Amino acid sequence: EADIYQTPRYLVIGTGKKITLECSQTMGHDKMYWYQQDPGMELHLIHYSYGVNSTEKGDLSSESTVSRIRTEHFPLTLESARPSHTSQYLCASRPAANTEAFFGQGTRLTVV
Amino acid sequence: GENVEQHPSTLSVQEGDSAVIKCTYSDSASNYFPWYKQELGKGPQLIIDIRSNVGEKKDQRIAVTLNKTAKHFSLHITETQPEDSAVYFCAARSGGGSQGNLIFGKGTKLSVKP
Repeated sequence: EADIYQTPRYLVIGTGKKITLECSQTMGHDKMYWYQQDPGMELHLIHYSYGVNSTEKGDLSSESTVSRIRTEHFPLTLESARPSHTSQYLCASRPAANTEAFFGQGTRLTVV
Repeated sequence: GENVEQHPSTLSVQEGDSAVIKCTYSDSASNYFPWYKQELGKGPQLIIDIRSNVGEKKDQRIAVTLNKTAKHFSLHITETQPEDSAVYFCAARSGGGSQGNLIFGKGTKLSVKP
């Protein structure tokens, strides 16, 4: 079992609210990722980080922001949630380039 | 950049039959190819991976083959069981060097009928 945790698992919030999805890993991995998974299953990379103070936008444009102040922590923030943000958000980490990614359980976000 | 195509998007087999999922990639510099299984309500988990210096790898009922010339790789599951039912993702590590993100296929929903 991988040591990567996401909280909350499920979240229902109202439009316009600010939310932060938490992701923590205790494996000391430098590389961390956020994916948005749509109902059709496809994984879309929205943010990644190669280490502390490193953050990059992924392939899918997202209105969310991320920060990487500590190696183990990679939170994702939505300043003003909208119904279009309703989705499953998956966090992952990797120790190096040619290695597997370990995924968290995901956060299922519903914006009403 | 890297582009990964995965087929089929859905696959239904009878218990005990074999299942094959195929992926193609575009970046000839890609050198790492993992396969993930995602069960309902969970995050994807690695089931097998292969690096570009190997043509085939097997782990019990699961095997992966890699054809670098054709730039395609496949997942083979033999003697399928109902608990194999899940969504399967292939991925390729884009580019060379020490970085490179994993680029995922769109997923295959496998259903194994008892």
